[in-house]
Amino acid sequence: AQKVTQAQTEISVVEKEDVTLDCVYETRDTTYYLFWYKQPPSGELVFLIRRNSFDEQNEISGRYSWNFQKSTSSFNFTITASQVVDSAVYFCALSEAGTNAGKSTFGDGTTLTVKP
Amino acid sequence: GAVVSQHPSWVICKSGTSVKIECRSLDFQATTMFWYRQFPKQSLMLMATSNEGSKATYEQGVEKDKFLINHASLTLSTLTVTSAHPEDSSFYICSASQGREGYFGPGTRLTVL
Repeated sequence: AQKVTQAQTEISVVEKEDVTLDCVYETRDTTYYLFWYKQPPSGELVFLIRRNSFDEQNEISGRYSWNFQKSTSSFNFTITASQVVDSAVYFCALSEAGTNAGKSTFGDGTTLTVKP
Repeated sequence: GAVVSQHPSWVICKSGTSVKIECRSLDFQATTMFWYRQFPKQSLMLMATSNEGSKATYEQGVEKDKFLINHASLTLSTLTVTSAHPEDSSFYICSASQGREGYFGPGTRLTVL
């Protein structure tokens, strides 16, 4: 069975601080996808990144960066110079590949509050 | 990129009525669609998997007679919440897959009074 653990339930930082959201996953599949989503108070899921299991390259997109390490089954997300607009619930998700692509297991989410 | 829409985006209904939620893949054919439910301050949980032209597969604990899923075409799946009750109030999100990866819709917020 697949499992995603986001150990940090809530994080509160002051604007301009860097913050890292942790994600640890479990799967027996050799091919899988990892995602991060942002869910603002309005509720819609905002796609941030998708990473397949064969691509361990770290990625940077503006103030966002992701560190994927298969050796530790982790896919951590860092926001640099956080802003108030970053306040949201962030979900890490693990998705099967192949015929079940799109079947995702979500972590419990981390609520990030960025204070001015 | 692939776009998935849901309609309506929010709905309020009276207890005992039925509500239909649509999930459409706008620019690709989805062989499989997944329905998730998210209660307030909780994570998203998979409810069911639907394949075009066949019966949906429900996760343990999800009542198939209450949550009717129809995947009549490669671009449309519907979730009908029958005889809705206040405890069914939730955020319902679909994901559509064309076999390689899935794409999430924006979600539908259901409030049952």
